[in-house]
Amino acid sequence: AQSVTQPDIHITVSEGASLELRCNYSYGATPYLFWYVQSPGQGLQLLLKYFSGDTLVQGIKGFEAEFKRSQSSFNLRKPSVHWSDAAEYFCAVVTLGYKLSFGAGTTVTVRA
Amino acid sequence: DADVTQTPRNRITKTGKRIMLECSQTKGHDRMYWYRQDPGLGLRLIYYSFDVKDINKGEISDGYSVSRQAQAKFSLSLESAIPNQTALYFCATSDLGQAQETQYFGPGTRLLVL
Repeated sequence: AQSVTQPDIHITVSEGASLELRCNYSYGATPYLFWYVQSPGQGLQLLLKYFSGDTLVQGIKGFEAEFKRSQSSFNLRKPSVHWSDAAEYFCAVVTLGYKLSFGAGTTVTVRA
Repeated sequence: DADVTQTPRNRITKTGKRIMLECSQTKGHDRMYWYRQDPGLGLRLIYYSFDVKDINKGEISDGYSVSRQAQAKFSLSLESAIPNQTALYFCATSDLGQAQETQYFGPGTRLLVL
């Protein structure tokens, strides 16, 4: 069975500082991986996705993620955080039957 | 995403009541999903439908039922609501039949069962 782990429940970062959110997955074959963001009171918005090819994936809002097969990881990064990046972030992987399996989420707080 | 709408956005109900949450999409997608979100648990799949005649249970379908009235409409019902069904519910859609398909989410329905 596939699963997704987001080790950090909550991260606080200063505006302008860099951000890295961790995601680990368990799956035997090549995974299809996603990062979604949920702003307060909003639905989920796709930030980026990885299917194959280049292991460094660029997304919207200045985010990027790197797929590392050896570490079973798909960490999300942003070089300089803006106050509007305060949100909850979800990593997800496609399971059998093309269903998404989500991690528990990481809440990001941005301080001035 | 305005292409996926959910009604109502907020609902308070009492234990034992039957309620329906509705989802509509204008994206023309065949696949639709219902999830619930609980703090610390992420999103969990309740039901999914790959076309109008195809309904499948997700990981937490007990206490819920669904109806796919048309390609664009997918409703979730709680036949007899209970307090532990208090959660944020999301509808999502996706296209094609490929494992890398992207799901698009509605704004969510916040349900409180008293």
